[in-house]
Amino acid sequence: GQQVMQIPQYQHVQEGEDFTTYCNSSTTLSNIQWYKQRPGGHPVFLIQLVKSGEVKKQKRLTFQFGEAKKNSSLHITATQTTDVGTYFCAGLRTQGGSEKLVFGKGTKLTVNP
Amino acid sequence: NAGVTQTPKFRILKIGQSMTLQCTQDMNHNYMYWYRQDPGMGLKLIYYSVGAGITDKGEVPNGYNVSRSTTEDFPLRLELAAPSQTSVYFCASSPPGGRRETQYFGPGTRLLVL
Repeated sequence: GQQVMQIPQYQHVQEGEDFTTYCNSSTTLSNIQWYKQRPGGHPVFLIQLVKSGEVKKQKRLTFQFGEAKKNSSLHITATQTTDVGTYFCAGLRTQGGSEKLVFGKGTKLTVNP
Repeated sequence: NAGVTQTPKFRILKIGQSMTLQCTQDMNHNYMYWYRQDPGMGLKLIYYSVGAGITDKGEVPNGYNVSRSTTEDFPLRLELAAPSQTSVYFCASSPPGGRRETQYFGPGTRLLVL
């Protein structure tokens, strides 16, 4: 089953409003990656978080990795129409000596101009 | 660099037909992956390869086969197409470090099985 839960599944905002998507894992993650997929496009890497409690910023985007390395969030300040797309988290789990990257189902963001 | 390229972009198959989805990368990446993406779902790993001559199953390998004869190419074969294989297929690659590294995705192949 799905081992990385991402919420909400959909989010519609007015341009200028903030947006947050959350990613939760039942097990500790080695790292977490975030990707953005524009409508009709392919996933594009945004950022990777590795350390417990890590916070990284890219302009209006803020990414956090929880202290327990089981959850993460992506926050967009003052959304723009160019932010439209689906945002995926992908958690790296180490199990039995092998690594497995598990994608969440994504949060689809629409922005009303 | 062209990055990761995939062909075809779109294909319609009849049930029972076979086809090969092509994937090529020019970044000299060791790791390559095949994912499928169903509507409203995340990406599910079909097969992956850590280098030429080495392939392994992912989460959903049934109904698919792969080969990796060169570093650049990682074709995905569907032998007996079924409606359940209707999906968007993405190929990806990553540098040494595998899943700890950025995955670079191709533009995808949309497959419809009728």
